[in-house]
Amino acid sequence: QGQLVQSGAEVREPGASVKVSCKASGYTFTSFTINWVRQAPGQGLEWMGWIDIYNGNTDYAQKFQGRVTVTSDRSTSTTYMDLGSLRFDDTAMYYCARKRFSIGGDPFDIWGQGTLVTVSS
Amino acid sequence: QSVLTQPPSVSAVPGQKVTISCSGSNSNIGYNFVSWYQQLPGVAPKLLIYDNSKRPSGIPDRFSGSKSGTLATLGITGLQTGDEAHYYCATWDTSLNGGVFGGGTKLTVL
Repeated sequence: QGQLVQSGAEVREPGASVKVSCKASGYTFTSFTINWVRQAPGQGLEWMGWIDIYNGNTDYAQKFQGRVTVTSDRSTSTTYMDLGSLRFDDTAMYYCARKRFSIGGDPFDIWGQGTLVTVSS
Repeated sequence: QSVLTQPPSVSAVPGQKVTISCSGSNSNIGYNFVSWYQQLPGVAPKLLIYDNSKRPSGIPDRFSGSKSGTLATLGITGLQTGDEAHYYCATWDTSLNGGVFGGGTKLTVL
């Protein structure tokens, strides 16, 4: 089946960066991609980008290009999402989600529990 | 503004049927599979429907999905109060080269 467990809530000041982790278990880590999706308070879901665990390839939504970096550590089955130059409107719940393929309409079939990132001065 | 368009809210009484639409374009729904997610208050989204109309194991057959052209539809029959949630459609957009979601629909079971 599989499970994704994310790191705890974070508070950062504007301009800082935050790194959120997502630890996978219960499935072959290298057979899937991990995507990141965020949800601002009271708003909908927004896709941020993905990493192909097998080869380390990444791609990001244009909105986040240059500000987000997704990496993975195969030895610990953990994926990291690093978001820099934080702004107040980056305050959101950040989710990691498993997807079989890097592109295409296959589903996000397993989700992490979410990590709340609050940007506040 | 979301790439995929959903009605902000729908409502129905217990036992009735409701449908939620998700409208897109040829570069997303018209070309790729659609999935649907249920998000109960305060928890992560959960996969309900994938590949337009398939249900993961454990999802009751009260939930169904369909797609025609650039329009996808989620159907829920035999509504229960526990179905009150936000519902999101999603797919891939080949022009944007990224995942896209609908803005979400809040289902109220009166």
